[in-house]
This record gives sequence, C-alpha cells and structure tokens, in this order.
Amino acid sequence: EAGVTQFPSHSVIEKGQTVTLRCDPISGHDNLYWYRRVMGKEIKFLLHFVKESKQDESGMPNNRFLAERTGGTYSTLKVQPAELEDSGVYFCASSHDSLAGNEQYFGPGTRLTVT
Amino acid sequence: QKEVEQDPGPLSVPEGAIVSLNCTYSNSAFQYFMWYRQYSRKGPELLMYTYSSGNKEDGRFTAQVDKSSKYISLFIRDSQPSDSATYLCVAGYSSASKIIFGSGTRLSIRP
Repeated sequence: EAGVTQFPSHSVIEKGQTVTLRCDPISGHDNLYWYRRVMGKEIKFLLHFVKESKQDESGMPNNRFLAERTGGTYSTLKVQPAELEDSGVYFCASSHDSLAGNEQYFGPGTRLTVT
Repeated sequence: QKEVEQDPGPLSVPEGAIVSLNCTYSNSAFQYFMWYRQYSRKGPELLMYTYSSGNKEDGRFTAQVDKSSKYISLFIRDSQPSDSATYLCVAGYSSASKIIFGSGTRLSIRP
C-alpha cells in the first residue's frame, strides 16, 4: 500500500510569488489534514478535509492560503502571495476515520523556502 | 503558553540504556495522547497511543499518562541506534480530529 505522497519535496520561491503544494493521501482515506512546521516551532494544524468538504480550517493563518480537495482525492495548498514567514515544512496526513485519536499517516513533507 | 511542552534536547545516550522522554500539557480537554517518531527528512509516524490516564506497553516502548499532573512519558528499554530520531509528544481532543504537537525531543543513541 502506497503511503501519503507530497509534491514537490522542496520549493524555493521569491516573496510575492505563488506556490502550490500537492498531497495524495492513502487510497480510501476520506480524511486529509494539512500541518506545517516553521523554523524552530512545533508542527501546527492547518485544516482538515472530510472527502471534499472542509471540516475544520481553524489553523489556516490568513487568506493567502487556499486549500482545495476537488473530488475528495488529492489536495492542493496554494500560497498566494508568499511571504518570508511562510517558509517551513508543510506536512499532509490522511486517516481512514475522523474519530478523535485515530492514527494519522503523514507524508514526507514539502520544504518551502521563501526568499 | 504552549499547549504541549517538551524539552527539545538533544539527548544522547549509549546503546542499551533506558531512555525517558517527557512532556507536559496545559489543556485539561485533551483525552488522547500519542508519541510520534520522526526520522530526518521523513514525516512523523505514530509510535504509541494512549487514551486518558494509564500505561501502555509495546515491545521496548512504554507510554505513561498522568492526567492529574498533566504529565506524559515515553520509556525506551534496551535502546538501539535505530531509535535515534525526534520524538514528538502529541495530544488530541475527544471532540475533534486535529492533534496538537509538542516541539519534539531529538534523541541520539550512541553505538
């Protein structure tokens, strides 16, 4: 069984540019999560999809971030325009159930550097 | 105040030693407590899972939760070089799927 995959693995962009990160969850997992870790800080929740619907987007930092999951399969996270403080590692995770405490399977992350 | 606090380390111990990793949390609403392990350039992977207070053992690993003191521990017996990784203390709510991470403790096992 393939794990959670993320693309690209690393992205370097200039301030003001747009970047789109992609996440492919484990097949059959309806629940998809985005997290990020900025330098020196802990991994923080961004949002949670159940199929194509946003269940919880309380962690999204501002309206420069747009997450989509059309068709309930893969998801994209767009940052537009990127700012220096957006640099960090963006993780995607998926799970079969949305029950509290369920195991979330993480991808390897996308390392975003904004210069 | 961070909701889950961990000593970032690094912690270095010789192979075969018993390792004790600890964290504290501030939110009484947390009901689920997990330890994730993260190797360099990889995503976190679930290592141990505990609901409410109590102990859980899995092979060389034991997780303890004391809700009265809001204290979470992970013990690793007979530590191996392959245990070298960052260990993330994680807590979750009974009413939501999102999980809250500590900053992680970097552990190194010396052969």
